[in-house]
Amino acid sequence: GAGVSQSPSNKVTEKGKDVELRCDPISGHTALYWYRQSLGQGLEFLIYFQGNSAPDKSGLPSDRFSAERTGGSVSTLTIQRTQQEDSAVYLCASSRDGSTDSPLHFGNGTRLTVT
Amino acid sequence: QKEVEQNSGPLSVPEGAIASLNCTYSDRGSQSFFWYRQYSGKSPELIMFIYSNGDKEDGRFTAQLNKASQYVSLLIRDSQPSDSATYLCAVVDSGAGSYQLTFGKGTKLSVIP
Repeated sequence: GAGVSQSPSNKVTEKGKDVELRCDPISGHTALYWYRQSLGQGLEFLIYFQGNSAPDKSGLPSDRFSAERTGGSVSTLTIQRTQQEDSAVYLCASSRDGSTDSPLHFGNGTRLTVT
Repeated sequence: QKEVEQNSGPLSVPEGAIASLNCTYSDRGSQSFFWYRQYSGKSPELIMFIYSNGDKEDGRFTAQLNKASQYVSLLIRDSQPSDSATYLCAVVDSGAGSYQLTFGKGTKLSVIP
């Protein structure tokens, strides 16, 4: 696609429910990243994929968070048993090949609100 | 813990003036440096990247890098009200095998007409 596409754009869920967030990267980009941004805070790294593999999961805040990527393309971030502190904007980004001179291009994000 | 520090602002400049945004980073192994602009309620968009010491110019924007001082800056010439946004500095260190960007919290710029 022309840009990184994320869905849904907004999600309101009750505490304790599971949610799935989807990211469709730019066509041909092998690297995919998930970040989250809480109100007034900087971007927090969650996980990085190169192809279908996740060499760096260091940023996942707890075992309630998981992510997968299939076919080297679409990725899903799953949050189980959501908590109010999970409320944030979840941003997905892709880059050509994950190299240090390959800039990240961000999607418009999913705003998650846990009530 | 790698850190990227920015003055949160807000930085207010009059229209037509030069806006100077600064960023320091903690990890000497950092190789690549990026500036992103984020309008309120929107996602970050890439403005510039710089890898080598010195200046890099692109239109009204100039990025400056000094690896010895672990300092990177962004100058915006002839500032316009449409430049009002939060500017995020981001740093990559590939030493750990992961091309993870560490972001600063951003500097909010306000250009006054």
